[in-house]
Amino acid sequence: DTGVSQDPRHKITKRGQNVTFRCDPISEHNRLYWYRQTLGQGPEFLTYFQNEAQLEKSRLLSDRFSAERPKGSFSTLEIQRTEQGDSAMYLCASSSSDSSNQPQHFGDGTRLSIL
Amino acid sequence: AQTVTQSQPEMSVQEAETVTLSCTYDTSENNYYLFWYKQPPSRQMILVIRQEAYKQQNATENRFSVNFQKAAKSFSLKISDSQLGDTAMYFCAFMKPNAGNMLTFGGGTRLMVKP
Repeated sequence: DTGVSQDPRHKITKRGQNVTFRCDPISEHNRLYWYRQTLGQGPEFLTYFQNEAQLEKSRLLSDRFSAERPKGSFSTLEIQRTEQGDSAMYLCASSSSDSSNQPQHFGDGTRLSIL
Repeated sequence: AQTVTQSQPEMSVQEAETVTLSCTYDTSENNYYLFWYKQPPSRQMILVIRQEAYKQQNATENRFSVNFQKAAKSFSLKISDSQLGDTAMYFCAFMKPNAGNMLTFGGGTRLMVKP
């Protein structure tokens, strides 16, 4: 069990550019979550997958955001035409759906800075 | 929709002392789970303790225990014998089961353990 892995750890880009983040969940976990955490705040839910199906999307996830989990393993989160307000830590978490109280295991996050 | 409130943005405690972090939540659900997560500086979020709402007994994990008051919708975390390694952001989180299991977080409490 290598834990949840996120890449890159940091991303600095200019406003208007597209960025893509990757998350590799714990291998036996079929649920994968994306959260956004701004400085000094708690994480906010963005979206989640069960296997390859995206089952829920927050209204925080504007049209510029898209997430995929094509084979039910790793996931990508893409932000198009980045804006200053997109600067945040993007956290990925995974869990098993074996029972309803399985805890989510978090990755280290990708910190996005928009210049 | 659920909301989670942590009214103490920052707290400090002397090493070996006891500290209590507060959390209140608002929900119309009867069955749910509550969690405390710890996020050390520049490190990943880890689960500290969890409580199932249908259990009256307060959860305990070594030096960490909770005071769960369902009627008052209160869920405080007590850390006994505080250690320097307890210095971190602490987040209270709510989860409604069988609905994607996404977490709703509070704004966090920054805890500093002083030597």
